[in-house]
Amino acid sequence: ETGVTQSPTHLIKTRGQQVTLRCSSQSGHNTVSWYQQALGQGPQFIFQYYREEENGRGNFPPRFSGLQFPNYSSELNVNALELDDSALYLCASSATSGSRETQYFGPGTRLLVL
Amino acid sequence: DQQVKQNSPSLSVQEGRISILNCDYTNSMFDYFLWYKKYPAEGPTFLISISSIKDKNEDGRFTVFLNKSAKHLSLHIVPSQPGDSAVYFCAAPSFYNQGGKLIFGQGTELSVKP
Repeated sequence: ETGVTQSPTHLIKTRGQQVTLRCSSQSGHNTVSWYQQALGQGPQFIFQYYREEENGRGNFPPRFSGLQFPNYSSELNVNALELDDSALYLCASSATSGSRETQYFGPGTRLLVL
Repeated sequence: DQQVKQNSPSLSVQEGRISILNCDYTNSMFDYFLWYKKYPAEGPTFLISISSIKDKNEDGRFTVFLNKSAKHLSLHIVPSQPGDSAVYFCAAPSFYNQGGKLIFGQGTELSVKP
């Protein structure tokens, strides 16, 4: 039990739609990172937010965007969904944005795009 | 460009024996490595880490070995237990200091048989 929760657990969307995934970090953790895990692959870094500002981004297009709120919650928004966006989306919180800070993962949201 | 690689997608071991999970990396700038364990329907959980100034780190039944010249690390589990059955990921923080970006391998699914 990491204290990191995500909602919803599962979601089905159609191509072209928009989706919002939510994450609640551990209390006191001011950093949240989002990852995409395709089937049979390791998690791929999407971006990180530190104190409500983006603090690093992976190789994902601008239609992937995020928000972080003062109450330790955050969102991942994906516009114009494509079939390849079908994956498990993980958020991870950490106490700081330091590279050696342990990241605590939520259980993930499994997104299926038809 | 897969900078962290786990070339064995699966491993099956008898209970009580040693499990050895391998990981290779290509970027000599990596100076810290982590292992995460993931059960189905749960997020990855931090297991053990190692700094590049060490060649071994031990925590109970889990030991990680680092061979910098070979750019190789391994996780040893002794003795293996059925509850260790999970997917194991090795990961390294990005040396570009992109916040807490973790670069993951593809994962190895360990099955420990009673």
